[in-house]
Amino acid sequence: GAVVSQHPSWVICKSGTSVKIECRSLDFQATTMFWYRQFPKQSLMLMATSNEGSKATYEQGVEKDKFLINHASLTLSTLTVTSAHPEDSSFYICSARGQPSNYGYTFGSGTRLTVV
Amino acid sequence: GEDVEQSLFLSVREGDSSVINCTYTDSSSTYLYWYKQEPGAGLQLLTYIFSNMDMKQDQRLTVLLNKKDKHLSLRIADTQTGDSAIYFCAESPSGGSYIPTFGRGTSLIVHP
Repeated sequence: GAVVSQHPSWVICKSGTSVKIECRSLDFQATTMFWYRQFPKQSLMLMATSNEGSKATYEQGVEKDKFLINHASLTLSTLTVTSAHPEDSSFYICSARGQPSNYGYTFGSGTRLTVV
Repeated sequence: GEDVEQSLFLSVREGDSSVINCTYTDSSSTYLYWYKQEPGAGLQLLTYIFSNMDMKQDQRLTVLLNKKDKHLSLRIADTQTGDSAIYFCAESPSGGSYIPTFGRGTSLIVHP
């Protein structure tokens, strides 16, 4: 079945530094990838939708200059948290939809970001 | 706007059946999903149902859809401790946008 690999699974960084999270579709071409943020005991909050080769579409309230998304190929999307602050600490999850669109979304295993 | 509601917690004894309920508001929902999230992990698609169906069974899982009441349920038969996880209900509308809207998740606790 479709597999999405997300890396790293956890990262600790100092306040003010940037962190890059990778999301790869291993056995299918992901024309669209999604980035979510999950707060403790809460649901997934969609941050942005990225289509291969074009700019990401950000949800209302998500700072595009802070959360940089790149989807340069059909198998790789990256989320860079720039100038991270403790309030950016969260669980970030990517998901991908292949071509043709499947009925479900394949999720990565998530990245636990802790900013100290 | 779209809204998906679930109860937050469910506790069952091992071997019993679990029923997780979900309600949604978007009448144009076409696909309805159940995802499972184990601690520290991403979401795993368990099953899905189309809005023109009212039931789907897959081994220990049974999904019931009441489209009139916009109510979706997931029944897990013979619940095991390995079923302990958070279960998310999600719906996708018909039309051009397929991005699912997720509920807050139901934390299922299975005790011996």
